[in-house]
Amino acid sequence: GAGVSQTPSNKVTEKGKYVELRCDPISGHTALYWYRQSLGQGPEFLIYFQGTGAADDSGLPNDRFFAVRPEGSVSTLKIQRTERGDSAVYLCASSSGTGYTGELFFGEGSRLTVL
Amino acid sequence: AQSVTQLGSHVSVSEGALVLLRCNYSSSVPPYLFWYVQYPNQGLQLLLKYTTGATLVKGINGFEAEFKKSETSFHLTKPSAHMSDAAEYFCAVMTGRRALTFGSGTRLQVQP
Repeated sequence: GAGVSQTPSNKVTEKGKYVELRCDPISGHTALYWYRQSLGQGPEFLIYFQGTGAADDSGLPNDRFFAVRPEGSVSTLKIQRTERGDSAVYLCASSSGTGYTGELFFGEGSRLTVL
Repeated sequence: AQSVTQLGSHVSVSEGALVLLRCNYSSSVPPYLFWYVQYPNQGLQLLLKYTTGATLVKGINGFEAEFKKSETSFHLTKPSAHMSDAAEYFCAVMTGRRALTFGSGTRLQVQP
């Protein structure tokens, strides 16, 4: 696709439920990032994939959060036993190549609300 | 550890006035520095970046920023604000690991 696509754009769920958020990066981009943005804050790093593997998952807050990218393209962020504090906009970004230039291409985000 | 501080969560300027958005960073090694912009209902997009070389970098839409190591700053400026510049601006730093650390953002309002 032309840009990074994230679905759903909005998700409302109840505390304790399981949620999946999907990211479709720009075609050919090997690097994929997940960030979380809470109200009034800047994006907070969660995890970075290079190809199929998670190169850096140090930003995942706890073991309720997990992300996969099985074929090196689409990625899914999975949140188990959601809590009200998980409410945020989850941003996905992709970039090309292995050389790091800092230019990330962001999607519009998935807004998660946990009631 | 690296961090970014953006002074002023909201900045309001008149159309045609100078825009100055402040960013200070903390890093133990030479950083890469970035400004991203987020327009309403859009994803973040790169405005400009400093990696190495010339300390004054120019970006899109007439914005520029100067890396000042002695002041650990990377302030964003534009000589003349336009209504279309109204957006949220994020400063970010990267050192070593391939993940950006963002500041908390500055919302720019442009008054007619």
